[in-house]
Amino acid sequence: DAEITQSPRHKITETGRQVTLACHQTWNHNNMFWYRQDLGHGLRLIHYSYGVQDTNKGEVSDGYSVSRSNTEDLPLTLESAASSQTSVYFCASSQDRSSYEQYFGPGTRLTVT
Amino acid sequence: AQSVTQPDIHITVSEGASLELRCNYSYGATPYLFWYVQSPGQGLQLLLKYFSGDTLVQGIKGFEAEFKRSQSSFNLRKPSVHWSDAAEYFCAVGDQGYGGSQGNLIFGKGTKLSVKP
Repeated sequence: DAEITQSPRHKITETGRQVTLACHQTWNHNNMFWYRQDLGHGLRLIHYSYGVQDTNKGEVSDGYSVSRSNTEDLPLTLESAASSQTSVYFCASSQDRSSYEQYFGPGTRLTVT
Repeated sequence: AQSVTQPDIHITVSEGASLELRCNYSYGATPYLFWYVQSPGQGLQLLLKYFSGDTLVQGIKGFEAEFKRSQSSFNLRKPSVHWSDAAEYFCAVGDQGYGGSQGNLIFGKGTKLSVKP
């Protein structure tokens, strides 16, 4: 069965370190998204991609970067982790820009100490 | 710009009671509407979606939602709640604007459902 996976599921890191969260989907979807979820804020879009070599900033992109070198993967990098980036991160994918329906991964809980 | 409002942050219902979760959207034309559920410690799962046609939409786990254009609403309902329905519920609208984010979803802030035994 097709799926979307995230790794690691839990991560503790120190302030200032570079961290990369992995997202891998086997749906063969064109679109991929990264969200963060924080109490009181719901889901906030960090970055998204509509295809290979395409990346776009979402509403909370500062301090994060992504790259899309193939269809299956969209890794999220925190260049220099900050305590404000402690959160739960979700990756999602959708078929294309006309389908809208997104499939979500299980999430990564990141703690920055 | 399109937006979604879920007026209730937290709702508690008794097991076996009926449930209605509210969702209001802002968009001039026919919206694409979604309800997702998030169980504790898990990702979001699609419950149901509305694109066009019959305004009463059936979803998984016994949920349904009704699109009411006159009220700009897409409320989620279930006739009898089970303890396993305790979760957070998110309403979303598809971004159909002409900007670079067409194809994305705009999420409400969620409603947390607690179920009393």
